[in-house]
Amino acid sequence: AQKITQTQPGMFVQEKEAVTLDCTYDTSDQSYGLFWYKQPSSGEMIFLIYQGSYDEQNATEGRYSLNFQKARKSANLVISASQLGDSAMYFCAMREYENMKTSYDKVIFGPGTSLSVIP
Amino acid sequence: NAGVTQTPKFQVLKTGQSMTLQCAQDMNHEYMSWYRQDPGMGLRLIHYSVGAGITDQGEVPNGYNVSRSTTEDFPLRLLSAAPSQTSVYFCASSVRYEYNEQFFGPGTRLTVL
Repeated sequence: AQKITQTQPGMFVQEKEAVTLDCTYDTSDQSYGLFWYKQPSSGEMIFLIYQGSYDEQNATEGRYSLNFQKARKSANLVISASQLGDSAMYFCAMREYENMKTSYDKVIFGPGTSLSVIP
Repeated sequence: NAGVTQTPKFQVLKTGQSMTLQCAQDMNHEYMSWYRQDPGMGLRLIHYSVGAGITDQGEVPNGYNVSRSTTEDFPLRLLSAAPSQTSVYFCASSVRYEYNEQFFGPGTRLTVL
């Protein structure tokens, strides 16, 4: 069964420093996708970055990178040069589907990590 | 292009009342889903749909019904509201069967007294 674990309920980081948010997952599928979303205090869900299970290179999007270690089933988010606007909840998510002949296509989320950037 | 829209934004119900949370998208996405968000628990999947006429259960389906008669709309029904259903509800949509990100609506904050 799918499961996402985020073991850091809250994190603090100094402005301009880098921070790593942990995410581990459990799946029996060989093919899946991993996502990170940001939720600021205003409540909207903002997509940050995606990693496919067959992607050999770690994904990067601007200041965001995903440290993907498939054997360890981990997909940690690294934010470089933290900014005050990075203060938010961060959610790791995983998508699995079987094939196009079935309706199985689930996206589940972890409990989230609250990041606070200190000036 | 409105993206994913949800109505209402806020709702207060009494225990036992029924209501429907509306969700619509204009991106022609076949995949749509409903989540509830509670403090410390992240987003939990309630129901999802891979196309018109096809729905399936998520992690926490009890107490909720869905239907998908069109590609655009995916309403969530609470038949008999309970205080345990007090939560923020998010609807999302995406391309089907692809590892693309979901697009989220703004959420509905529901309080059941």
